[in-house]
Amino acid sequence: EVQLVQSGAEVKKPGESLKISCKGSGYSFTSYWIGWVRQMPGKGLEWMGIIYPGDSETRYSPSFQGQVTISADKSISTAYLQWSSLKASDTGMYYCARHYSSSSAPDPWGQGTLVTVSS
Amino acid sequence: DIQMTQSPSAMSASVGDRVTITCRASQGISNYLAWFQQKPGKVPKRLIYASSSLQSGVPSRFSGSGSGTEFTLTISSLQPEDFATYYCLQHHSYPLTFGGGTRVEIK
Repeated sequence: EVQLVQSGAEVKKPGESLKISCKGSGYSFTSYWIGWVRQMPGKGLEWMGIIYPGDSETRYSPSFQGQVTISADKSISTAYLQWSSLKASDTGMYYCARHYSSSSAPDPWGQGTLVTVSS
Repeated sequence: DIQMTQSPSAMSASVGDRVTITCRASQGISNYLAWFQQKPGKVPKRLIYASSSLQSGVPSRFSGSGSGTEFTLTISSLQPEDFATYYCLQHHSYPLTFGGGTRVEIK
């Protein structure tokens, strides 16, 4: 069974750094893209970016370029989403999801990681 | 960026109703359109991909159609478990973009 398992909820202060993870199993991790999606409280879905773990090719939405870093460690089948300096506006649920290709719709999705940034 | 405009943003419907949700792209995206269902506190679930292909395990009362700039998601007979928020997603061009969502509520 294809599964994406994300790291647990985080509570951070503004200005702190954070790296959340998404571990893939049940398939060849290096053969599919992993994307990240944000959902702010009570709001819709926003596509953030995507990475191909096979060669770490990465593409970002302009809205998130420079605000986050997407990376992957193929040796442990894990993708990451990272912030160097969190803001309160980064509060939200973050989902990873598998893409068959760089231009396919994501499926399946991870269970989500809730990030709360508050002083 | 390609803008995806979903309508309506919310609707009330009764069990057994036929429901249609529309998504309009700001430019042509061929059939690179997917539909997702999200229930409160749950992970989004893909229902339809490539505009009209039904995801495995999804009931046949769900169907999708359209090409170019106009797309529809139809639920032929609304069931109690279908009350949720639905999102379209264009995956034709970067950045991928979601519609604003349609909340389907019980009348």
